[in-house]
Amino acid sequence: EAGVAQSPRYKIIEKRQSVAFWCNPISGHATLYWYQQILGQGPKLLIQFQNNGVVDDSQLPKDRFSAERLKGVDSTLKIQPAKLEDSAVYLCASSLRWGRGNEKLFFGSGTQLSVL
Amino acid sequence: AQRVTQPEKLLSVFKGAPVELKCNYSYSGSPELFWYVQYSRQRLQLLLRHISRESIKGFTADLNKGETSFHLKKPFAQEEDSAMYYCALSGAQGGSEKLVFGKGTKLTVNP
Repeated sequence: EAGVAQSPRYKIIEKRQSVAFWCNPISGHATLYWYQQILGQGPKLLIQFQNNGVVDDSQLPKDRFSAERLKGVDSTLKIQPAKLEDSAVYLCASSLRWGRGNEKLFFGSGTQLSVL
Repeated sequence: AQRVTQPEKLLSVFKGAPVELKCNYSYSGSPELFWYVQYSRQRLQLLLRHISRESIKGFTADLNKGETSFHLKKPFAQEEDSAMYYCALSGAQGGSEKLVFGKGTKLTVNP
């Protein structure tokens, strides 16, 4: 089966610029996640969608980060304006359903963001 | 709040030696624990989960609620086991089920 697709693979921007990442989950997966992974740390959940509704965005810095999943399929994550500390790998993942027992997440390759 | 601690950032063993990657957690409810693995140039993927009580690629992990631990073990390490290993905990927080990861342990198996 096709995996989780993400683009771009790499992005280099200057601070205060904006950037957007795209994710296409595995077909049929209702739940989509965006994780931020800073070098040397584990993935940190930014936002979790169930179909096109937000389940959890408690750790999303909403003053600069936004995400949407309008048709309940693919999703975009945007940063505007970017800060130096946003340099990280942004991972998209999907799972069949949301909730206890459905934590087999399938991850994309990630987008490596460098903010200069 | 739920928290996962992996005390070793790096772990190096020789091929054929036993290996144990430590994971401790903090969670007030009934947790579900997982190990995810990322091989070089590959995606992060699920290795095993405690509820399945399975052995994957020779690895096992037992949930010890008394010690709040979920250590990953393999009796005889192989070079292809070299990878980043992340322990993860699923628990309800703020009304939603959330998967929280530890910082990871880089395992190197030397020939």
